[in-house]
Amino acid sequence: EDQVTQSPEALRLQEGESSSLNCSYTVSGLRGLFWYRQDPGKGPEFLFTLYSAGEEKEKERLKATLTKKESFLHITAPKPEDSATYLCAVQAPWYSGGGADGLTFGKGTHLIIQP
Amino acid sequence: NAGVTQNPKFQVLKTGQSMTLQCAQDMNHNSMYWYRQDPGMGLRLIYYSASEGTTDKGEVPNGYNVSRLNKREFSLRLESAAPSQTSVYFCASSEYGDGDTEAFFGQGTRLTVV
Repeated sequence: EDQVTQSPEALRLQEGESSSLNCSYTVSGLRGLFWYRQDPGKGPEFLFTLYSAGEEKEKERLKATLTKKESFLHITAPKPEDSATYLCAVQAPWYSGGGADGLTFGKGTHLIIQP
Repeated sequence: NAGVTQNPKFQVLKTGQSMTLQCAQDMNHNSMYWYRQDPGMGLRLIYYSASEGTTDKGEVPNGYNVSRLNKREFSLRLESAAPSQTSVYFCASSEYGDGDTEAFFGQGTRLTVV
């Protein structure tokens, strides 16, 4: 069974204080690992897809990295507008069944950036 | 370009009532999904449709039915609502296959069953 565990559950940082969010996963044959941002009362918003160990992607103050067992979302010099819940999800191979083309999500990390 | 549109945005039902949640996407995606999001549980897949004319169960399908009306529309029906179905429901769509398959989500339907 595919599993995704995110840590910490909540994180409070000062503006400009860099940190990392962790996503540990177990899946047979990873097709993709996804990071989403979710603001209160809204649907998840796509950030990154990572496909293979060693891959990195960046967008503004965010950088996502991937190993064979986990992914990190690094936030550099965050601003208050980066406050949100960050969701990690994995996609299993199509042949694994049970919603194979759907995503298995972690519970998210609630990030608060204080001015 | 609206992306994924869900209706209604909010709904209150009495136990035993039925309703249909509507979802439409304008990105010409083949795959569509229904998720529910509960506090402390994360997003869980209810049903998905890999292409027009096909539907399959996800992780938590009990108490729900779906219809893939055409390539654009994917509806979720609660035949006899129960308080355990109080949740936020998200519809999503994505392209199917290898390569960029990120899912795009709607704004959600907040359902309360009393």
